[in-house]
Amino acid sequence: AQKITQTQPGMFVQEKEAVTLDCTYDTSDPSYGLFWYKQPSSGEMIFLIYQGSYDQQNATEGRYSLNFQKARKSANLVISASQLGDSAMYFCAMREGQGDYKLSFGAGTTVTVRA
Amino acid sequence: DSGVTQTPKHLITATGQRVTLRCSPRSGDLSVYWYQQSLDQGLQFLIQYYNGEERAKGNILERFSAQQFPDLHSELNLSSLELGDSALYFCASSFREGLVHEQFFGPGTRLTVL
Repeated sequence: AQKITQTQPGMFVQEKEAVTLDCTYDTSDPSYGLFWYKQPSSGEMIFLIYQGSYDQQNATEGRYSLNFQKARKSANLVISASQLGDSAMYFCAMREGQGDYKLSFGAGTTVTVRA
Repeated sequence: DSGVTQTPKHLITATGQRVTLRCSPRSGDLSVYWYQQSLDQGLQFLIQYYNGEERAKGNILERFSAQQFPDLHSELNLSSLELGDSALYFCASSFREGLVHEQFFGPGTRLTVL
């Protein structure tokens, strides 16, 4: 079964507007972590934000915030005040348990910011 | 710059050949992970090493092997290459387990098998 589901293959957003990228996850482990990475066309993977399953508050990092709804098993990324440089592929990922720290990735969402 | 280095950046080879991809983790990071990104399979975890020892194995083919050396750099060996092995191979590293959550990715090695 898919551990991470990203249902939006591609999205367009106007510059300076906010955009929400959906991510749902599936795990029975009470301890897990959720990550978002950005992959621009150049190919590198850039870490954006992390949310732990026991964290009480939603994570925020600058213009990035994570809308964590544990009961719904969703971890949506919100990018506020979009910039042209935000155009990229965005991946949601999950780490389960405490034994190892491998990440399971979703299929990704391509974001295109329009001027 | 994540601090993780990977060489080479690009690699073009023929079917049946063997290649070695190299990764140097961020200074102080003990754990190294290898991931494969292909169009049909997406991003997949291959294998993890922690301080020289194999810690976890994912969807890694038997034709592939890896190791982490005492200086903590890692190598991923791909042999008997097939067209389907063409992909972007990432190495990632993380700090002492449990203390830092982020995995920092290298720039990747793009492998093309002709």
